[in-house]
Amino acid sequence: QSVLTQPPSVSGAPGQRVIISCTGSSSNIGANYGVHWYQQLAGAAPKLLIYSNNNRPAGVPDRFSGSKSGTSASLAITGLQAEDEADYYCQSYDNSLSAWVFGGGTKLTVL
Amino acid sequence: QVQLVESGGGVVQPGRSLRLSCAASGFSFSNYPMHWVRQAPGKGLEWVTIISYDGSNEHYADSVKGRFIISRDNSKNTLYLQMNSLRPEDTAVYYCARNDPSDYWGQGTLVTVSS
Repeated sequence: QSVLTQPPSVSGAPGQRVIISCTGSSSNIGANYGVHWYQQLAGAAPKLLIYSNNNRPAGVPDRFSGSKSGTSASLAITGLQAEDEADYYCQSYDNSLSAWVFGGGTKLTVL
Repeated sequence: QVQLVESGGGVVQPGRSLRLSCAASGFSFSNYPMHWVRQAPGKGLEWVTIISYDGSNEHYADSVKGRFIISRDNSKNTLYLQMNSLRPEDTAVYYCARNDPSDYWGQGTLVTVSS
């Protein structure tokens, strides 16, 4: 059971918008630690998608955006494309565990 | 360009040891903290350990504390993970990753713990 909770799967048609949630607690997201999002394509290493809640590294399309409120964070993907089909993970730091923690991951299917 | 290349994975019996390496290039290795993250077959990502840029600080996940040791040799641009008392549940692809948050990842090396 992951410290950060994500839905196991989400889906959407090409062009649509999907949101992936990441729910934590007062010892991680709620303690004002940054939330980061990673995209993992099939058979590949993870790639940093969003850092510190809502920042995109260079080269990441602006179709991807992040937000955070209270003990939760969200990743929004607009204008879905077939190439967005992947697993997505949120990550933060937990001060009660003194550990970096990942969500369980969400599989995005583009219909 | 930034490159991280893991090596040292393989099949090992329970209770035995293994040392992973991560060779870094294309950036000033000694300026960055480094993580090891693992992924069991068909499962999600699990953070394992982090070491500070100069090797003076380390943190471990409870699941590996007392068994795994992270280290680095900044003169060789190399990160290590010494894994002792291996268990079947340590079976995973092990990734090294640069910085916090991790902006670059290696391709991973598979460790299989099985008799």
